[in-house]
Amino acid sequence: GNSVTQMEGPVTLSEEAFLTINCTYTATGYPSLFWYVQYPGEGLQLLLKATKADDKGSNKGFEATYRKETTSFHLEKGSVQVSDSAVYFCALQPSNDYKLSFGAGTTVTVRA
Amino acid sequence: SAVISQKPSRDICQRGTSLTIQCQVDSQVTMMFWYRQQPGQSLTLIATANQGSEATYESGFVIDKFPISRPNLTFSTLTVSNMSPEDSSIYLCSVRGDSNEKLFFGSGTQLSVL
Repeated sequence: GNSVTQMEGPVTLSEEAFLTINCTYTATGYPSLFWYVQYPGEGLQLLLKATKADDKGSNKGFEATYRKETTSFHLEKGSVQVSDSAVYFCALQPSNDYKLSFGAGTTVTVRA
Repeated sequence: SAVISQKPSRDICQRGTSLTIQCQVDSQVTMMFWYRQQPGQSLTLIATANQGSEATYESGFVIDKFPISRPNLTFSTLTVSNMSPEDSSIYLCSVRGDSNEKLFFGSGTQLSVL
């Protein structure tokens, strides 16, 4: 079946530090991959996505590259801010289905 | 984009009672989904709410426990029936955007069952 495994948290960083959240997946075919973010007190919102191998999604300084050879979609940001404190979810959508499978979420806290 | 209003935002309920969660969207959408997020776990799809027909439930979820209504293309409700402490979770309403890939989420309902 389809599944997503992401790095366990919580992760605590200082401002301007480099952030990486690992995400690997299991799926048949060529799924689309997503990162969703949930800020405190808000609903999930799409951060970035990639729909085919070697695509790079980017938004708000975050990047993730769809690596089919390693079945990974790691999220990175070069210099985090306090406002990046949130829970981050990796997700996949199979090519033949509308349903998304989510990872467990990684809580990130950025200290000033 | 779609703006989703979900309420209540949180509630504390007694064992054996039921709670109905409402989800209102600011535009007509074909597909609405209900997710559960248990403490420390990922989001799990409960069901797909279909307008004009019964909801489609995922494995492990049944209509008697989680009845869903979808009276029109902008509104849905999820009821958590005969609650037990194991039902304590965040429940999320979600809709699919025009791109058929992007999901929009409500802010969730934090449910605690005593």
